[in-house]
Amino acid sequence: AQTVTQSQPEMSVQEAETVTLSCTYDTSESDYYLFWYKQPPSRQMILVIRQEAYKQQNATENRFSVNFQKAAKSFSLKISDSQLGDAAMYFCAYRSSPRNEKLTFGTGTRLTIIP
Amino acid sequence: EAGVAQSPRYKIIEKRQSVAFWCNPISGHATLYWYQQILGQGPKLLIQFQNNGVVDDSQLPKDRFSAERLKGVDSTLKIQPAKLEDSAVYLCASSFRNGRVNEQFFGPGTRLTVL
Repeated sequence: AQTVTQSQPEMSVQEAETVTLSCTYDTSESDYYLFWYKQPPSRQMILVIRQEAYKQQNATENRFSVNFQKAAKSFSLKISDSQLGDAAMYFCAYRSSPRNEKLTFGTGTRLTIIP
Repeated sequence: EAGVAQSPRYKIIEKRQSVAFWCNPISGHATLYWYQQILGQGPKLLIQFQNNGVVDDSQLPKDRFSAERLKGVDSTLKIQPAKLEDSAVYLCASSFRNGRVNEQFFGPGTRLTVL
């Protein structure tokens, strides 16, 4: 079974600074997808960024980028120029293939932005 | 485009009582998911529907939980009877099959407290 591990229960960063959230996963598959979701206090999960395992290039979405290390099974999220609105729980998630849509989530990292 | 709707937002019940949650997915989304998110954990998939058929219910505690999506649109998740450990946020999500990666859109969730 696939597992997703987020070893940082809490992180904090000064506004406008950069922070990196860590995620590791365990799988024996070669074709899969990885996601970072943001869950603000409103509880609604919002997709931040996704990475397809067959793509070597790291995904980027504005201030959010990932460092995908397939051999190490590592998928970290970098948030640049942190803003107060970035404060939330961040979940790393794994999905095994185009056909299997089941998401396996990590336990989350609570990110606090310090003004 | 309207998002995934869920009701109620909050529910408090006594143990051994019954409760039902409702979800209306985004229009045109054939796939619907119910997740359970216990405090301090990531969401865990309970059941996945494709139209009105069940794709995956391997983690649904079938002795007390049931779900239906009779007309392939909205869905109801029921717990009967509830236990203390059922206290959690119940998230509904939907997706539209369009290519390799079908993004799941989440609703705001229902927070259940069992006393």
